[in-house]
Amino acid sequence: EPEVTQTPSHQVTQMGQEVILRCVPISNHLYFYWYRQILGQKVEFLVSFYNNEISEKSEIFDDQFSVERPDGSNFTLKIRSTKLEDSAMYFCASSEASGVNEQFFGPGTRLTVL
Amino acid sequence: AQKVTQAQTEISVVEKEDVTLDCVYETRDTTYYLFWYKQPPSGELVFLIRRNSFDEQNEISGRYSWNFQKSTSSFNFTITASQVVDSAVYFCALRRKAAGNKLTFGGGTRVLVKP
Repeated sequence: EPEVTQTPSHQVTQMGQEVILRCVPISNHLYFYWYRQILGQKVEFLVSFYNNEISEKSEIFDDQFSVERPDGSNFTLKIRSTKLEDSAMYFCASSEASGVNEQFFGPGTRLTVL
Repeated sequence: AQKVTQAQTEISVVEKEDVTLDCVYETRDTTYYLFWYKQPPSGELVFLIRRNSFDEQNEISGRYSWNFQKSTSSFNFTITASQVVDSAVYFCALRRKAAGNKLTFGGGTRVLVKP
C-alpha cells in the first residue's frame, strides 16, 4: 500500500541554524501539506501546496518557513533560522486532487532545537 | 472560522469496557467533512474514518462506531470492547468541502486501556 515517507525521523539542531525536512508524498497525489505538533498538543496546520504554489498558509508559517517541490517526488519544508519554539513533530501529508481526498500522513520528523 | 473541541483530555478504561470519545465542531459551511485519526504511542497519524456533512448515517467498522448528529454539531466515536492496543490519542478533525483544504484538529483525547 502506498504511503507518505519522511526523512529524517529525528533532527537535532542548534538555534539559528537552517533545517530542511523532507517528504515523499504518495505518487498520484497532487495536494501536499505540512502540519506540526508541539509535544502533548494538538496538530496544527502550517501550509498546503498545489500546482507548484502555496494554496493556503497559517499564521505560524511566517517568513522563516518555505516549501518547495524540487523534483517530481520530494516535498520539502525549510526553516531558515530555527528557534527553540520550533521544536515539534512535523507531519507531511498528501491527498488526491479529486473526490473526497482524505489526507494521508507520513510518520513525522521530530525536530529538536537546542 | 472553524473549530473542533474534544472536551475529554484523557479517558482510562479497563480492557473490554466500551469508551466513547466526544467531538463537537463549529463551522459556517453547509458542506464539510469530519474525520477521526488515531495517534498510537509510536507517533504516526492513522486515518480512521471520514464523514460527509450531508450523510448522517451512523457507521460501524468492527469494534469502532461513529455517531454523527448535525443538529448538535457532534461526531462521537465509540470503541466497543476496548483492547490494550486501542491505547492512543484520538483526534477529531474538520475540513471544508473543497479539495486541498486544511484539516482543523481538536485537542485530542488520550485513551488508556488497562489490562
